[in-house]
Amino acid sequence: AQSVSQHNHHVILSEAASLELGCNYSYGGTVNLFWYVQYPGQHLQLLLKYFSGDPLVKGIKGFEAEFIKSKFSFNLRKPSVQWSDTAEYFCAVTIQTGANNLFFGTGTRLTVIP
Amino acid sequence: DAMVIQNPRYQVTQFGKPVTLSCSQTLNHNVMYWYQQKSSQAPKLLFHYYDKDFNNEADTPDNFQSRRPNTSFCFLDIRSPGLGDAAMYLCATSRNQATDTQYFGPGTRLTVL
Repeated sequence: AQSVSQHNHHVILSEAASLELGCNYSYGGTVNLFWYVQYPGQHLQLLLKYFSGDPLVKGIKGFEAEFIKSKFSFNLRKPSVQWSDTAEYFCAVTIQTGANNLFFGTGTRLTVIP
Repeated sequence: DAMVIQNPRYQVTQFGKPVTLSCSQTLNHNVMYWYQQKSSQAPKLLFHYYDKDFNNEADTPDNFQSRRPNTSFCFLDIRSPGLGDAAMYLCATSRNQATDTQYFGPGTRLTVL
């Protein structure tokens, strides 16, 4: 069965620090990869997604993620975080067979200290 | 400007008392999903509708049912809630397949007494 691992449960950073959140998935076939963010009191929303092409994907608010197929990873990065980036971040995967199941990781809570 | 709306945001029910959660969308998307998210766990897909076609995940308990009377609305019915069903229930929509972005509602937090 497919699974998604986010090893960092809670990350605390000071403003302007660099961010990298890990995401690994287990599935041997072709996948689509997503990062969703949930700000306090708000709904899940898409940060960025990868389907094919350039493995370095740029999303909203200065976030980017790199797909490394050999490592089954899709880590999220931001060079300089802001207090407003405080949120829960979820990595998710679908397999490219037309199925509609988004497999989510357990999420990483990011706290940015002003 | 809300695109995926869930009502109520908080629902309290008693053990064994049927409850219905509601989701509506203004996006005219073909696919609607219901996810269950328990505390500190990943959201887990319960089922989805592709238009009128219902797709149940293999491990979704029979206690959970869904209805989609039209494109805009989708309901989650829990026939006999148990304490283990207390969770956040998320509704999402996408234009077509899961390769399309899924848009989530704010969720309904269900408490079972």
